Amino acid sequence: DTEVTQTPKHLVMGMTNKKSLKCEQHMGHRAMYWYKQKAKKPPELMFVYSYEKLSINESVPSRFSPECPNSSLLNLHLHALQPEDSALYLCASSPGHINQPQHFGDGTRLSIL
Amino acid sequence: DQQVKQNSPSLSVQEGRISILNCDYTNSMFDYFLWYKKYPAEGPTFLISISSIKDKNEDGRFTVFLNKSAKHLSLHIVPSQPGDSAVYFCAASANSGAGSYQLTFGKGTKLSVIP
Repeated sequence: DTEVTQTPKHLVMGMTNKKSLKCEQHMGHRAMYWYKQKAKKPPELMFVYSYEKLSINESVPSRFSPECPNSSLLNLHLHALQPEDSALYLCASSPGHINQPQHFGDGTRLSIL
Repeated sequence: DQQVKQNSPSLSVQEGRISILNCDYTNSMFDYFLWYKKYPAEGPTFLISISSIKDKNEDGRFTVFLNKSAKHLSLHIVPSQPGDSAVYFCAASANSGAGSYQLTFGKGTKLSVIP
């Protein structure tokens, strides 16, 4: 069982819809991450939050909007997505100390019609 | 430019034998290396890691070796079990001291352990 919980597991949306992906961890981790993974490709970093502040944005289009309401929660708000945004979106967390691994959730499978 | 390379897309090993998965990197600033295992429809599961000040780290059946001069690391699984069949990702970071850090992943190696 993963200790990073992502909801929903699957999401199908049209290009004009607005939806949100949610991620939750109760391990006391202070860093949280969003990754995007396309089929047969490795995960690619999108955003990093450290102590609830956005620390890295890997030049992600503005149609993806991250939010960290508190140290346990991470959201990814989606608006006006394109078909090429269809992918597996993975959330991860790490303690925030040196040389500590990131732990991943099972992801949200997103399909854009 | 791919900074973390796993040149073997797949590997088949007999149950009970040793599995050796390899990973090469080009960025000499990487100082923290990790291996993840991924089953279909699940997220990556952390297996084992090593910092650049070490050359070996062992955890049960899993051992990671780091050769900094060759910019090469390997994951040894012994003995291999059918449940080890999965995709294995090598990952590296250049700024782990910051507490939050960016992971760069290799493309993965699909391990099949044959009973």
